[in-house]
Amino acid sequence: RKEVEQDPGPFNVPEGATVAFNCTYSNSASQSFFWYRQDCRKEPKLLMSVYSSGNEDGRFTAQLNRASQYISLLIRDSKLSDSATYLCVVNEATGGFKTIFGAGTRLFVKA
Amino acid sequence: EAGVAQSPRYKIIEKRQSVAFWCNPISGHATLYWYQQILGQGPKLLIQFQNNGVVDDSQLPKDRFSAERLKGVDSTLKIQPAKLEDSAVYLCASSWDRQETQYFGPGTRLLVL
Repeated sequence: RKEVEQDPGPFNVPEGATVAFNCTYSNSASQSFFWYRQDCRKEPKLLMSVYSSGNEDGRFTAQLNRASQYISLLIRDSKLSDSATYLCVVNEATGGFKTIFGAGTRLFVKA
Repeated sequence: EAGVAQSPRYKIIEKRQSVAFWCNPISGHATLYWYQQILGQGPKLLIQFQNNGVVDDSQLPKDRFSAERLKGVDSTLKIQPAKLEDSAVYLCASSWDRQETQYFGPGTRLLVL
């Protein structure tokens, strides 16, 4: 099992749709979680941190379920500009600190 | 605030040659990361520094890759000798401390022929 696994893509959705991505992690001792966005041929940029209580930033909502070891990202009212790859990131702290990126889920939003 | 700087932006070399990449993190950031991102995959952490000490280099192919962060600021990543499978984007990132938000540089796109 991979340390961090994401939904395989690509997701093709129309503008205005709601889309959800899931990410599972294998190490129960993982401590912090993030969603990054990566545009084609660009570097990853932080979209949002993921907290145990869940957090929302405009059209984006992130949730963490420690019991089931997964995090999710919900995008409401999709825009064309949301088209990108979404990367799940997990920080582990067992025997040292380790950052693990998922392979990413590609999203295409179409007019 | 200046972002993470990397150079060169592009590099083409032949297999068995050597190559070096440079990274200047955001001022004051204690943690510096080097990632390898192969086309279609997520970034893979190669090495993580906390100031000038190595925190994690478990995925660094030490027979050919080396990295240093002298004085706890700038860092260089070297590949010697390069193989075809080293063709990738090499990303440098920095953060205030471990497990904090990482800020990425634009990357160096390496092509090994």
